[in-house]
Amino acid sequence: DQQVKQNSPSLSVQEGRISILNCDYTNSMFDYFLWYKKYPAEGPTFLISISSIKDKNEDGRFTVFLNKSAKHLSLHIVPSQPGDSAVYFCAASDAGGTSYGKLTFGQGTILTVHP
Amino acid sequence: DVKVTQSSRYLVKRTGEKVFLECVQDMDHENMFWYRQDPGLGLRLIYFSYDVKMKEKGDIPEGYSVSREKKERFSLILESASTNQTSMYLCASSFLDPGSYEQYFGPGTRLTVT
Repeated sequence: DQQVKQNSPSLSVQEGRISILNCDYTNSMFDYFLWYKKYPAEGPTFLISISSIKDKNEDGRFTVFLNKSAKHLSLHIVPSQPGDSAVYFCAASDAGGTSYGKLTFGQGTILTVHP
Repeated sequence: DVKVTQSSRYLVKRTGEKVFLECVQDMDHENMFWYRQDPGLGLRLIYFSYDVKMKEKGDIPEGYSVSREKKERFSLILESASTNQTSMYLCASSFLDPGSYEQYFGPGTRLTVT
């Protein structure tokens, strides 16, 4: 049972425009969410995170929005750059439990930014 | 700068062979994790460890075992490799403290079982 879902396998965007990547979750115990970026032949790298006590977190061109009632989060990249082309994974944790920092990952979305 | 290293970037093994994948981190992290990444399935947790000699099953532990004899080192063992274990294997580490959920990943090992 996939508790974290990224329903769009791929997204194609023009350079300079906004990229919006979406993620849905089903486990209401999840209270911390992260986005990772992965280039081919490299390990994922942390991008941005958000706690369930917030609904928005910004870091430069990257903003994550959390809608707890809908169990939905999204990552906005503005403006998109060709170097942003990568696979993006969302991940979730039930930090309050005995999860020992375990993360549950979505399937990933391949973002392609065209010059 | 956090560093997680994995013993091999590419590995080719035959069906039935015993395979060892090693991971070393230099940040004194308590937690260490092994994932596999497959297209369309994302990252799936195989095993994790929150202390030396401690291990917990993840979502897909069947066919795998692990060993953690030292804090900085976490090994994944395929007792008898099978073709359905062909995958990208990723190791990660993190602090145990609540509030430190960020995991740091190694570069991955692309394992092919023929």
